[in-house]
Formats: sequence, C-alpha cells, structure tokens
Amino acid sequence: SQTIHQWPATLVQPVGSPLSLECTVEGTSNPNLYWYRQAAGRGLQLLFYSVGIGQISSEVPQNLSASRPQDRQFILSSKKLLLSDSGFYLCAWKKGLVSYEQYFGPGTRLTVT
Amino acid sequence: QQQVKQSPQSLIVQKGGISIINCAYENTAFDYFPWYQQFPGKGPALLIAIRPDVSEKKEGRFTISFNKSAKQFSLHIMDSQPGDSATYFCAASIRVDSSYKLIFGSGTRLLVRP
Repeated sequence: SQTIHQWPATLVQPVGSPLSLECTVEGTSNPNLYWYRQAAGRGLQLLFYSVGIGQISSEVPQNLSASRPQDRQFILSSKKLLLSDSGFYLCAWKKGLVSYEQYFGPGTRLTVT
Repeated sequence: QQQVKQSPQSLIVQKGGISIINCAYENTAFDYFPWYQQFPGKGPALLIAIRPDVSEKKEGRFTISFNKSAKQFSLHIMDSQPGDSATYFCAASIRVDSSYKLIFGSGTRLLVRP
C-alpha cells in the first residue's frame, strides 16, 4: 500500500529564516506530487505540482520554491520566510495520468514569528 | 472560471439528521469531482468522488448527487453522527499539461450535535 510522509510535523521559524519541508511517498513509482497551503480556517491553495524528477509547475510564485530531486521526494523551500508564510502545508500524491484520486499527507504546521 | 463555490460555510445538524453541502462550478472542462473530509490538525481524506457521466454515487451513508446541466453537485450525509463533525471540501479536477490539478471549494464546517 502507498504511504505519504511529511516532516517536520510542526515548525516555528523567525521571519527571514530559511525553510525546507520534505514530503516522501512510499509504495508507488512516478507519482504526480503536489504542495498545498491551507491558512487557518480556509481552503486549500495549490502552490506547486510535479509530474516527474526536476519538473516543477508553479501556481503561486511568491516567496516559495519547490524541487523534486528524486522520484518520490518533493521539497518545499524558502530563502527568507515572511509572516504571511504561516499556515498548514500539505503534500499530496496521485498515480500519474491513470487515476484521478489525490491523497494527502499529514501536513506540516508552520508558524513564522 | 476555475472557481468552485461551496455552501454553506458552516452547518449544524442533530444526530440522525441529514447533512447537505452544495457546490457549484462554471468550467465544463472539469471532469472529476471529489469530496474530502478533514479533521482538525489532519490532512484531508478522500471521502467519495464522482465523474460527470454519473448522476449519483452512494457509499455507505455518503451520497454525491451530480447535476451536469446545472453545474452543481452536493454531498448528502445520511444518519449524521457526532463523529462526522469535520470540515468538508468539494473539489473539481481539470487537466493541465501532463497532469491534473484540483480546484477546491472554501470548505464547510459540519457540527453534528448528539
């Protein structure tokens, strides 16, 4: 069965510090991978998606970037965090083009102080 | 045109009652409509989904009704239970390049009173 992991689970970072969030998927190959952000009490905003290693599409090109160094690894980064970067960051995966179902990880709660 | 509008924002239902959440869309290119359930501090979990060539799908107490001509779909939770208290999101899928992406509604916070 497939499993998706995210770490860390929670993170408190000062403004201006760098960020690196990691997502890995087990039990599948060549998944489509997605990064979402969810502000408190709000819906899900798609940030980036990737169909393969090194292939990143950006939906919200703000203070964040994404990378996919390995088939089942997706990383969300920032060089300098802003207060507005606080939120719940969710990684999701999907089986390429053969299916529609998208499955979410447990999320990372980021608080920028 | 890529928005999905969800209502109500919040819903209170008595135990055993029916919870109904509605969503509407404009873009006819959407081709898959899932519903997600999210508990506080957790990632959303896929609950049930429907393709536009089907008007209704039922899984246990959860039913999706889909009206293609009206561009509307809804989630019905029969015999609602306190354990169903969560935030529910509708979504719509659209093809982009060599992938699909989901456009989410704004969410409905459901409270089922015992």
